[in-house]
Amino acid sequence: SQTIHQWPATLVQPVGSPLSLECTVEGTSNPNLYWYRQAAGRGLQLLFYSVGIGQISSEVPQNLSASRPQDRQFILSSKKLLLSDSGFYLCAWRTGVVNTEAFFGQGTRLTVV
Amino acid sequence: AQTVTQSQPEMSVQEAETVTLSCTYDTSESDYYLFWYKQPPSRQMILVIRQEAYKQQNATENRFSVNFQKAAKSFSLKISDSQLGDAAMYFCAARTSYDKVIFGPGTSLSVIP
Repeated sequence: SQTIHQWPATLVQPVGSPLSLECTVEGTSNPNLYWYRQAAGRGLQLLFYSVGIGQISSEVPQNLSASRPQDRQFILSSKKLLLSDSGFYLCAWRTGVVNTEAFFGQGTRLTVV
Repeated sequence: AQTVTQSQPEMSVQEAETVTLSCTYDTSESDYYLFWYKQPPSRQMILVIRQEAYKQQNATENRFSVNFQKAAKSFSLKISDSQLGDAAMYFCAARTSYDKVIFGPGTSLSVIP
């Protein structure tokens, strides 16, 4: 069966420090991968999505970047965190098969102090 | 641009009663898919129900059903016989052929015993 791993679960980082959040998927190949951010009490904002290795689409210009070095690995990064980067980050995947929903990881709660 | 709107930030329902959550969307695609997700306090995203745009029949999953009005671009969720465990954030989402999955801002549902 397919599973998605996202870590760390919680992270407190100072302003100006770098960030690396990792997401890996098991049990499927060539998934579409997504990074979302959820501010407190708000909806999910699509940040990046990828349909293949090295293929990244950015939805919102910001302080973050994403990379997909392997088929089932998706990394969210920042060189210098801002206070506004605080939030709940969710990784998701889905296959290329029609009519499948996105499956989500457990999320990372990032607090920038 | 693809957008999803949920006009009800908060809703409440008496236990065992029925409640309807509203969702409208905007897409220029002719082929797309719609979803309702539930996010309980654990923040895990759980699929509630899905609808293919090419199907006229409304989807149903046990106590959950949708009212899909394609011409009006409306996709509401009806929860029958509401239970305490239904209390959560509910997100409407849309996926097009470009594989972007866009979420609405969410509706917080409270269930009153």
